[in-house]
Amino acid sequence: DGGITQSPKYLFRKEGQNVTLSCEQNLNHDAMYWYRQDPGQGLRLIYYSQIVNDFQKGDIAEGYSVSREKKESFPLTVTSAQKNPTAFYLCASSMYGHGNTIYFGEGSWLTVV
Amino acid sequence: AQSVTQPDIHITVSEGASLELRCNYSYGATPYLFWYVQSPGQGLQLLLKYFSGDTLVQGIKGFEAEFKRSQSSFNLRKPSVHWSDAAEYFCAVASRGAGNMLTFGGGTRLMVKP
Repeated sequence: DGGITQSPKYLFRKEGQNVTLSCEQNLNHDAMYWYRQDPGQGLRLIYYSQIVNDFQKGDIAEGYSVSREKKESFPLTVTSAQKNPTAFYLCASSMYGHGNTIYFGEGSWLTVV
Repeated sequence: AQSVTQPDIHITVSEGASLELRCNYSYGATPYLFWYVQSPGQGLQLLLKYFSGDTLVQGIKGFEAEFKRSQSSFNLRKPSVHWSDAAEYFCAVASRGAGNMLTFGGGTRLMVKP
């Protein structure tokens, strides 16, 4: 089935460690996105990529890094510089161009202890 | 900068009653508008979207939304709510400029009483 796969679903890490969240899509979408969701809040854009080997910062990029070496993959690294990393992370993708529907993965819960 | 406001954080309705979730946006021109639904611990599913044309948009699961330019609103409605509609609902706006980024409202959590 076509879709967006995020892994792992649940992740626990100690403070000060980097952690990488995986996102893979087989929809042949050009653009991919990472959003962060905190309880009771909307989604905030971390990074987005419209083509391979290119990505831009979103509203809350500090403490995060990404790569886009393949069209299907857009991993997110939460670094130790991120002050409050515990959150629900959503990966999404769409065809290139404004107004195209953005499709979401099932999300990854990251808890830092 | 564009923004989205969902004034109601929580709404409780009885099963079978009608529903209206409010959404107000701030944007200089006619935006692209979206409504998504999220079940607990899950990703977001698109309910409907407005690009242009008819201001009343039909979506999945019996939902509809009406774009009102004069009020900068895009309210979501359903004539008869089912228990399975209990979820969180997000309104979002995308600019008509370059890129395809969504700005989300804070969400409205819908609870359905039997």
